[in-house]
Amino acid sequence: GENVEQHPSTLSVQEGDSAVIKCTYSDSASNYFPWYKQELGKRPQLIIDIRSNVGEKKDQRIAVTLNKTAKHFSLHITETQPEDSAVYFCAARWDDYKLSFGAGTTVTVRA
Amino acid sequence: DARVTQTPRHKVTEMGQEVTMRCQPILGHNTVFWYRQTMMQGLELLAYFRNRAPLDDSGMPKDRFSAEMPDATLATLKIQPSEPRDSAVYFCASGLVDLREQYFGPGTRLTVT
Repeated sequence: GENVEQHPSTLSVQEGDSAVIKCTYSDSASNYFPWYKQELGKRPQLIIDIRSNVGEKKDQRIAVTLNKTAKHFSLHITETQPEDSAVYFCAARWDDYKLSFGAGTTVTVRA
Repeated sequence: DARVTQTPRHKVTEMGQEVTMRCQPILGHNTVFWYRQTMMQGLELLAYFRNRAPLDDSGMPKDRFSAEMPDATLATLKIQPSEPRDSAVYFCASGLVDLREQYFGPGTRLTVT
């Protein structure tokens, strides 16, 4: 199966600073990499995704980069705000349609 | 705004009791997933259905867990008998094969005492 490792497990940043979360995957056949945000007690929600034929994708303050050769991808949040505080999960799609998730990163934005 | 729904939202039961969790996928979605979330194991895939057929349930303890889709609007996950180690949040997600994104339901928080 696919093994996804995510770092760091916790991240505390000052409001306005940037946050970066990194993930690595094991299956070179994986071709889709979504990022989910989960607020306390809520459902995971997709915030951005990237396909294997693209190296970078940006949506306002969030961006994702993918290095297929090295099998790693990263989430970048710029100008962080208190509402960015949540747990973020990376994932990789493998074996047709299954997702393997990273262990999650708890992001805290300090006001 | 179509959403995946799950019932019950919370369930407290005693060890040995049967637990049934229900999920209504987004209308028209042809894939359904069951996940379990715990602090220790994170998000684990338990079962996966496409067009109501079970394609993969390798993540599920077979002796006590079962997952079914009686029709396109209902997916069920049963635990019999339940054990304290089954305490977790169980999420259902649905999607379309061609569109990659999985939409999660609100989850069922299960506590087995």
